[in-house]
This record gives sequence, C-alpha cells and structure tokens, in this order.
Amino acid sequence: DAGVTQSPTHLIKTRGQQVTLRCSPKSGHDTVSWYQQALGQGPQFIFQYYEEEERQRGNFPDRFSGHQFPNYSSELNVNALLLGDSALYLCASSFPPPTGRRYGYTFGSGTRLTVV
Amino acid sequence: AQKVTQAQTEISVVEKEDVTLDCVYETRDTTYYLFWYKQPPSGELVFLIRRNSFDEQNEISGRYSWNFQKSTSSFNFTITASQVVDSAVYFCALSEAYSGGGADGLTFGKGTHLIIQP
Repeated sequence: DAGVTQSPTHLIKTRGQQVTLRCSPKSGHDTVSWYQQALGQGPQFIFQYYEEEERQRGNFPDRFSGHQFPNYSSELNVNALLLGDSALYLCASSFPPPTGRRYGYTFGSGTRLTVV
Repeated sequence: AQKVTQAQTEISVVEKEDVTLDCVYETRDTTYYLFWYKQPPSGELVFLIRRNSFDEQNEISGRYSWNFQKSTSSFNFTITASQVVDSAVYFCALSEAYSGGGADGLTFGKGTHLIIQP
C-alpha cells in the first residue's frame, strides 16, 4: 500500500521563476493538504483540496496556488519565487473533513525547494 | 486563533533516561484534535497519536505515553527508557472542529529536537 508520494525530492530554482510540485495521495484518501516547513520551524498550512476545490487557505499570498485532479493527485504552484520560499514542502493526504481529523493525516517525505 | 507552543527547542539525554516533551495549546473551540508527529532526518512526518478534546484518558503505547490535561491546555509526551532511534524532531499539532464550509488544516508547534546520546 503506497503512502503519499511527492515529486521531485529536491529542486533548485532562481529567484523570480515559477515552480510546480506534485503529490499523489495515499490509496483511499481523497483530500490533499500542503504545508511549508522552513528550516528549524514547524510546518505551516498552505491550503487543502478536496472534490477538486480549494477548501481552506492558510496565511499565504496568491503566488501560491494549487490544483487537484480527478484522481485526487495535486499540484502546488509557486510564482515569482523569493529567497524566503526556500523550504521543505510537505503534502498530506486524508479523508475529507470532518473525518480526516478523526483518522489522521499521512505525510509524504516532502520536496526540498532551494531558491537562489 | 489557534496556537501550539513547544517551549523546549532542544533536549539532550543519555540513552535509557526518561524524557518528557511539553506541548501547550490555545483554541476557542470546544471540539478539537491534538496530534504528535515524529520527523526523522528523512523529512517525513510520522504519525504517533491523535487525541480528541472529549477524551482525557492518558494513553500508553510501549515506551511512549501521553498526558492530556484540558485544565492546563497541555498534551505532553513522555518516552520511557529512551533509545538512540528516538532521536528526531517531535511536533505537536492541533486541528479545530469542522464547521460550516471550513476544512481542517493542522497548526503545528515549532518542534522539539530530541537527541538521545549512547
């Protein structure tokens, strides 16, 4: 039973560029959440998708956008990259709210994004 | 707004010692869930436990135990007879109850880096 799969594992981009990160949820899960984890910090919630719609967004600018596909996989797009966007980006899958929090969230290993 | 505080940035103990990781949370909801995750150097967050706000019973799982006290808004995690493999960053997280059209993003603390020395 595959867990959450994220790609790529590492990425280096130049300031001002755009990046797309991908996530495949755990089998049986249809809800995907994205988190940003800066070095030495806890993960911060970016947004959550289910039924192919953004359902909740954390305190992140519009440069961060996402998409969910009919097969429940998801993409995170970041435009006009800043040096401060360098972080580990984690994807978590779950059942949709409110069931999700009762059964927990499964996290992937993340994508390490470095902006230079 | 919800908030999770893990005041201990780093803890270092010798193997076989007991260690407690503190977690204090803030929420205005009466229904919420608390979580502990372990993050090894590989980066993946490994689920350890989930607790809902209506269940204050302490839980023990092998060498791990959790003490949930609503009166002090704390959800502390104790490792008994620590082992080198326990070395990791541990995160406490909170999710408030679903209401209306809301979703259920987690609010994490800053984590505690636990170092178990042989």
